[in-house]
Amino acid sequence: DSGVTQTPKHLITATGQRVTLRCSPRSGDLSVYWYQQSLDQGLQFLIQYYNGEERAKGNILERFSAQQFPDLHSELNLSSLELGDSALYFCASSGADLSPLHFGNGTRLTVT
Amino acid sequence: QKEVEQDPGPLSVPEGAIVSLNCTYSNSAFQYFMWYRQYSRKGPELLMYTYSSGNKEDGRFTAQVDKSSKYISLFIRDSQPSDSATYLCAMSAKAQGGSEKLVFGKGTKLTVNP
Repeated sequence: DSGVTQTPKHLITATGQRVTLRCSPRSGDLSVYWYQQSLDQGLQFLIQYYNGEERAKGNILERFSAQQFPDLHSELNLSSLELGDSALYFCASSGADLSPLHFGNGTRLTVT
Repeated sequence: QKEVEQDPGPLSVPEGAIVSLNCTYSNSAFQYFMWYRQYSRKGPELLMYTYSSGNKEDGRFTAQVDKSSKYISLFIRDSQPSDSATYLCAMSAKAQGGSEKLVFGKGTKLTVNP
């Protein structure tokens, strides 16, 4: 168990809808990362937060947004969903720069 | 040229075989090197974390880093069916502005047959 908790485990929704994915980092970790993994694709970095502030941005669509709250949990909001957004979304946390990431078990999003 | 190259496989070996998984990279700034194991429908799990060139051993797993050749390897001895998974390499460096640059390989899918 990595200590990173993601909810929900599965989400099925329709095109055009909006969903929120939630992540609780490991105790003491200040950094939270969001990744997207499509079928047979590698991990695509979306965004990183550190202690509530946005730290780095990857290939995150404008329809997607995220935030990290004072208790350090993070939410990833996906709106105007398209079929191509169907993927596994992983959250990871780390304690400091250059320390390894610890991943949750992901949220599987299916857009129909 | 991609920053990190990893052969996607798939790789299929008999139980008990020695497995060698490899990644090459182009950015000499990478300082930290990691291997993750990902079972189907699960999150990547950290296996090995190394900093310098050389070998690091943990049970049946050995991570090897050759910075001069920009090449890292993960060896699995006495492979077991439970080792069947996708293995991802990852590497990181300090980026401009003090932030971190972290890059993952696309992963190699390994099957160990009983």
